[in-house]
Amino acid sequence: GAVVSQHPSRVICKSGTSVKIECRSLDFQATTMFWYRQFPKQSLMLMATSNEGSKATYEQGVEKDKFLINHASLTLSTLTVTSAHPEDSSFYICSARKERNSPLHFGNGTRLTVT
Amino acid sequence: EDQVTQSPEALRLQEGESSSLNCSYTVSGLRGLFWYRQDPGKGPEFLFTLYSAGEEKEKERLKATLTKKESFLHITAPKPEDSATYLCAVQRHSGNTPLVFGKGTRLSVIA
Repeated sequence: GAVVSQHPSRVICKSGTSVKIECRSLDFQATTMFWYRQFPKQSLMLMATSNEGSKATYEQGVEKDKFLINHASLTLSTLTVTSAHPEDSSFYICSARKERNSPLHFGNGTRLTVT
Repeated sequence: EDQVTQSPEALRLQEGESSSLNCSYTVSGLRGLFWYRQDPGKGPEFLFTLYSAGEEKEKERLKATLTKKESFLHITAPKPEDSATYLCAVQRHSGNTPLVFGKGTRLSVIA
């Protein structure tokens, strides 16, 4: 199969601090990964497309300076939430495809709580 | 703009009571329609991909169908372990492009 691992699964931080979330493809290489955010009882909303070796592409309304994405290798993408505020509290999920036209596989998500 | 609308928002079934979930979509140039299952606090788990109208896919008690405007996820004789949120998503372009999701249907199956 195609396994996507995400870490940590839960994190609580204080307002104003930064948090890094890791997303790894365990059994395949991923030149592209997608980061989604999900609020309670809401849909998964695409935040950005992470591209290995180049800058991420952000969706409209997502602040690139606040949500820093680094895709430094073919198996790892990181999302850093900088200067976190309570409104950034959400469920962040990454995803990737094993092959170009195969289904998207998702990590188990990271529950971020900013106090 | 691509839109995916799922109904009902929530569904409560008795064990063994079959039903269907609906996913209506508006997308230019549908590449594929996807169904996922999401358990609380977890990421979505892939179930099916449908590519063209008339296509059907089955897996255990689940069967997904596709028309030009909507997809149905039929659940036959559900069990409590089928309780989850079922998400529908569309992909517009071929290749390594993202999915657009609906809000999901929260299914509860009561023993």
